[in-house]
Amino acid sequence: GQNIDQPTEMTATEGAIVQINCTYQTSGFNGLFWYQQHAGEAPTFLSYNVLDGLEEKGRFSSFLSRSKGYSYLLLKELQMKDSASYLCAVRNDRGSTLGRLYFGRGTQLTVWP
Amino acid sequence: NAGVMQNPRHLVRRRGQEARLRCSPMKGHSHVYWYRQLPEEGLKFMVYLQKENIIDESGMPKERFSAEFPKEGPSILRIQQVVRGDSAAYFCASSPLPRFANEKLFFGSGTQLSVL
Repeated sequence: GQNIDQPTEMTATEGAIVQINCTYQTSGFNGLFWYQQHAGEAPTFLSYNVLDGLEEKGRFSSFLSRSKGYSYLLLKELQMKDSASYLCAVRNDRGSTLGRLYFGRGTQLTVWP
Repeated sequence: NAGVMQNPRHLVRRRGQEARLRCSPMKGHSHVYWYRQLPEEGLKFMVYLQKENIIDESGMPKERFSAEFPKEGPSILRIQQVVRGDSAAYFCASSPLPRFANEKLFFGSGTQLSVL
């Protein structure tokens, strides 16, 4: 089975840095994705990691440690518009589930002025 | 270049009625996934389809739920005899052939189903 854990809520202030952690236990791991979802909207892709290390993309970075089953999403220079739910998802290609993603419950980030 | 289109955005049904949710994948995408999102919960996989084929329906309830992706037209998720517990946001996602590990899913804006 799959088990993906991330904090339910986090708060931070504008301009700050926030790190959202995600731990996972899965069979057939084939990559970890982070998505952003604003209320009532579609989840949108942020990042992908399959090898250990840090992937940087502008204000957002994502880190993966496969041996520890651990990832984090780092958001720098926070803006009000970053208030959203951040979804950690693991890809499992075992058997017929090619491309299937298993999602955590999401971390609701609130950015205060 | 339209993204994944879902309609309706909001659907209200009374208990016992049928709900039909439609999803048109992105142009060039032939793989469709349906997910359900309950309040305070993560996206839960329901079914994975290619054109005219159901590949994996392991996440779909055995009764009342069905899905199709015909050769022509959108993918349809059908819920018969809806109950209050079916109230949720239903998201559709599409991808081209998910051969590569970094092939991401593109999501639609979802259909919010409310059962009275």
